[in-house]
Amino acid sequence: QLQLQESGPGLVKPSETLSLTCIIFGGSFSSTSYQWAWIRQPPGRGLEWIGTMSQLWGTHYNPSVRSRVTISVDTSKNQMSLKLTSVTAADTAVYYCARIYSGTDYWGQGALVTVSS
Amino acid sequence: EIVLTQSPGTLSLSPGERVTLSCRASQSVTSGYLAWYQQKPGQAPRLLIYGISSRATGIPDRFSGSGSGTDFTLTISRLEPEDFAVYYCQQYGTSLTFGGGTKVEIK
Repeated sequence: QLQLQESGPGLVKPSETLSLTCIIFGGSFSSTSYQWAWIRQPPGRGLEWIGTMSQLWGTHYNPSVRSRVTISVDTSKNQMSLKLTSVTAADTAVYYCARIYSGTDYWGQGALVTVSS
Repeated sequence: EIVLTQSPGTLSLSPGERVTLSCRASQSVTSGYLAWYQQKPGQAPRLLIYGISSRATGIPDRFSGSGSGTDFTLTISRLEPEDFAVYYCQQYGTSLTFGGGTKVEIK
């Protein structure tokens, strides 16, 4: 059974870089069958796609964050990373990593990141 | 970017009722790549429907999806107590976008 687990600092200061890691259990980010995504949800609000990575199609980012975001994978560690620079309070959210196959069929439990001084 | 608009924003219903949720896309959804999710407080979303009408693994058959092109519907034939939640549609054919959600609350 595939499991995804996000980890990283829960508090980031404004203007700094948000860094999160997603570890996969029971699967591999090197599979060419799937896409892998970061999705976030501000408190009390809806879901927002941040970006997607796949072995076949590379990386694609939401235009709203494209200038600030990098998604990368370390297949040797079974880890996917998210870096978001120059954060503001508007970046406060629960951040999910997820698998996209037929829909987004596997999600991590989410990691709350608060941007505050 | 494909914008998804869900309606209504909130539905107040009783257990046993039939529910119809709407999702309208600003342009045709590529290859029918339209999914529905259920989210409860403090939990990650759960995939209900993919490819417009295919139920995900373990999803009860009271959940069904339909539609084509730009208009899609999620139907819950008979509301169970555990179905009160927020529902999101998503298109995954051209990048990824989500609708704003419909909250189904107990009347």
